[in-house]
Amino acid sequence: ETGVTQTPRHLVMGMTNKKSLKCEQHLGHNAMYWYKQSAKKPLELMFVYNFKEQTENNSVPSRFSPECPNSSHLFLHLHTLQPEDSALYLCASSQVRRLDTEAFFGQGTRLTVV
Amino acid sequence: AQKVTQAQTEISVVEKEDVTLDCVYETRDTTYYLFWYKQPPSGELVFLIRRNSFDEQNEISGRYSWNFQKSTSSFNFTITASQVVDSAVYFCALTPSLGTSYGKLTFGQGTILTVHP
Repeated sequence: ETGVTQTPRHLVMGMTNKKSLKCEQHLGHNAMYWYKQSAKKPLELMFVYNFKEQTENNSVPSRFSPECPNSSHLFLHLHTLQPEDSALYLCASSQVRRLDTEAFFGQGTRLTVV
Repeated sequence: AQKVTQAQTEISVVEKEDVTLDCVYETRDTTYYLFWYKQPPSGELVFLIRRNSFDEQNEISGRYSWNFQKSTSSFNFTITASQVVDSAVYFCALTPSLGTSYGKLTFGQGTILTVHP
């Protein structure tokens, strides 16, 4: 079992659909993150959750709505997306205030908006 | 503002060649951490190394070595005797060490490394 698991691995959705991405970490971490990886662009941090509280939103459009019900689970709710939102969405987790650990990433959800 | 630049978009080598991936960064923080991650075709980012800005010692781990030079704001990564399994996208990343966690990273654009047999 990998440390950070993302489902689904692939998702194709229409612009009028509503879907959700799920991330689960089994590492006992207390911080979780959503990153977006578009073609030919650096990974972009979208949201940060520390102890289930959202601490950062990097000017992400409201059609992306995160949810963190507990320290182990993170969701990204999607609605009325645009084709330019097609990307690999990566979830990560880390331990807040631990100076001897790094962030662990999931394998990502490859999203295609048609 | 922080910025990480990986000037090499793609590198292609033949197996057993040595290859160096360049990383240059900009930050106003006096203390920070630098990272290298590997992204194989499966998608997940695999952690390779973390380096504190106070520690300029070079590090070697098997075929991997890292050269951190604070004077030139560079943190280069060398693979010795490359292998086909090294083919992946490699990312350099930066985070301030005064932050509370290592997940809030500024990434470079990535370097696609292809090792041919």
